[in-house]
Amino acid sequence: DTAVSQTPKYLVTQMGNDKSIKCEQNLGHDTMYWYKQDSKKFLKIMFSYNNKELIINETVPNRFSPKSPDKAHLNLHINSLELGDSAVYFCASSQSRQGKGYFGPGTRLTVT
Amino acid sequence: AQSVTQPDIHITVSEGASLELRCNYSYGATPYLFWYVQSPGQGLQLLLKYFSGDTLVQGIKGFEAEFKRSQSSFNLRKPSVHWSDAAEYFCAVAPGGGGADGLTFGKGTHLIIQP
Repeated sequence: DTAVSQTPKYLVTQMGNDKSIKCEQNLGHDTMYWYKQDSKKFLKIMFSYNNKELIINETVPNRFSPKSPDKAHLNLHINSLELGDSAVYFCASSQSRQGKGYFGPGTRLTVT
Repeated sequence: AQSVTQPDIHITVSEGASLELRCNYSYGATPYLFWYVQSPGQGLQLLLKYFSGDTLVQGIKGFEAEFKRSQSSFNLRKPSVHWSDAAEYFCAVAPGGGGADGLTFGKGTHLIIQP
C-alpha cells in the first residue's frame, strides 16, 4: 500500500565507494524526483524525471546519476562518494500538472 | 528564480494555544503553494496545498492556511496545538500551471510545544 518507497532506509559506506538508492511509486504518476536534505534540514531538489526524460538538474555533481528503468522507478546512483554527500535523500512523485509531491520515507546516507 | 522564506527558525507554543507559522514567497506569477510537516526521523507529509480559488485552504490535522497575493504570503495556522504537532514545518512553492520543476522549499520552522 506504500505510495512511494525507498530502499535502503539507512546506508553507511566509506569514501570513494559507489552506491545506489532505489525508489518506486505505485501512484501512476508521470514525474519522479530526488531531493537532498542536508544536516540543517534544508531540502533541495536534485533531479526530476518526466516520462523517462531528465527535466532539471540543479547543479548536482555528475557523480550523481538518476536512472529510470520505467515510469514507476527512479534510482539514484552515486559514484566516488564524498563526506559531503552525507544527507537524507528523499524520492518523490507527482502528476506533473498537479505539482504536489508525495514523498518517500527517505534514505539516510552516511559517508565515513 | 522562485524562493521561499520562513522567517522563524524556531517557535515555541504552549499546548492548547493557537499557532501561526509564516511563509513568504517570491515568484513572477501565482505559484502552487504547499505546507509539509516532518516529524523527527520521518519523511514529509503534505498538510495542505493551494492551487487556485478560495484563498483559505483547509488541510489535515486541523491546519489551515491563507494565501494573500498582496503580501506574497501563505501562513499556516492552527487554533489549538497538541503535543503531537511538535515537528519541522516546511513551506514550498511550485510553478503554477503544473510542470515538472519540482518544489522549492523554505528552510523550515521547528515547532516546540510546551506542556
